[in-house]
Amino acid sequence: GDSVTQMEGPVTLSEEAFLTINCTYTATGYPSLFWYVQYPGEGLQLLLKATKADDKGSNKGFEATYRKETTSFHLEKGSVQVSDSAVYFCVQGAQKLVFGQGTRLTINP
Amino acid sequence: NAGVTQTPKFQVLKTGQSMTLQCAQDMNHEYMSWYRQDPGMGLRLIHYSVGAGITDQGEVPNGYNVSRSTTEDFPLRLLSAAPSQTSVYFCASSYSNLGPSSYEQYFGPGTRLTVT
Repeated sequence: GDSVTQMEGPVTLSEEAFLTINCTYTATGYPSLFWYVQYPGEGLQLLLKATKADDKGSNKGFEATYRKETTSFHLEKGSVQVSDSAVYFCVQGAQKLVFGQGTRLTINP
Repeated sequence: NAGVTQTPKFQVLKTGQSMTLQCAQDMNHEYMSWYRQDPGMGLRLIHYSVGAGITDQGEVPNGYNVSRSTTEDFPLRLLSAAPSQTSVYFCASSYSNLGPSSYEQYFGPGTRLTVT
């Protein structure tokens, strides 16, 4: 069945470091792809999305490109901030979502 | 708009007890769903609804019931609580049309349930 595998955490970085969180998926078709973020004590928020191959989603300095050939949707940010500390989920689907296991990111000042 | 609201925030149950987790949204979304979040496993779909009067099972439906009598509300019922249902439960909603705006789901703040 459909699945999402993302980089295991936790990940700890210093402020202003470069961030990559890897994500790959398996699907029978060409699903929409998302990154959702969960800040401490809160629900999930959509961070960015891509609905077809080669689309690049971006928001708040984060980017991810839908790569059909490698079935990947890696999350990147050039310079992280303490406020980016959260759990990040790679997700596929449209309404019935399939989640990766989540990656906890901690940014130290 | 309040968005998606869930009550209660926290709940402790004894094995065998029943309870209902409430979820409401004020965005006139047709689609609503329930997920559970367990450590190291991401979120898994329990039940979903594409509109009032229509519900269907997700990946992990056993031990849970849902109904959708109004567009706004989508309660999740635990029939006889078990320790394996200890989890954080999230309700989500979205539009149900086929345009790109349907792809963003709005999540509630969650209910943390412990079954002893």
